[in-house]
Amino acid sequence: EAGVTQFPSHSVIEKGQTVTLRCDPISGHDNLYWYRRVMGKEIKFLLHFVKESKQDESGMPNNRFLAERTGGTYSTLKVQPAELEDSGVYFCASSRTGSDTQYFGPGTRLTVL
Amino acid sequence: AQSVSQHNHHVILSEAASLELGCNYSYGGTVNLFWYVQYPGQHLQLLLKYFSGDPLVKGIKGFEAEFIKSKFSFNLRKPSVQWSDTAEYFCAVPYNKFYFGSGTKLNVKP
Repeated sequence: EAGVTQFPSHSVIEKGQTVTLRCDPISGHDNLYWYRRVMGKEIKFLLHFVKESKQDESGMPNNRFLAERTGGTYSTLKVQPAELEDSGVYFCASSRTGSDTQYFGPGTRLTVL
Repeated sequence: AQSVSQHNHHVILSEAASLELGCNYSYGGTVNLFWYVQYPGQHLQLLLKYFSGDPLVKGIKGFEAEFIKSKFSFNLRKPSVQWSDTAEYFCAVPYNKFYFGSGTKLNVKP
């Protein structure tokens, strides 16, 4: 069984540009989560999809962040326009319905210059 | 809401030393508790988890954790660390979503 995959592994962009991160969950996992870790701080929740629906987006920092999960499979997280404070590692995780155990992807390290 | 505290931010040990990493959470009700580990260059992996039953939970690679409800704690332990345990360790509590501690970087000197 393939794990959670994320693309790209690293992204370096300039302030004001747009970046789109992608997450492919484990097949059959309806729950998909996005988290972010800003340097040296804790991993913080951004949002949660159940299939294609946003179950909880309370952690999204502002309206420059847009997440989608069309068809309930992979998800994208777009940052537009990117700001310096958006730099960090963006993690994706997935889980089965009814399970608390989340499986994490390797993360995307985003650097905004 | 829930908060998770890890008091040790950076721990340096020699091989064969014993390890204990602290984790405290704030929610007083029924909780599930997790420890994840991130080895250098790798993704977060589940180390162990507590759902119910025996408060002493055994995980992979010789790690264990003890749930003490009265202290709101779920400390991670290993009797004898190895160089390969060098990693960052995260305590996490699911409460609709995961709440993570700030992580503890463990550096084991060979």
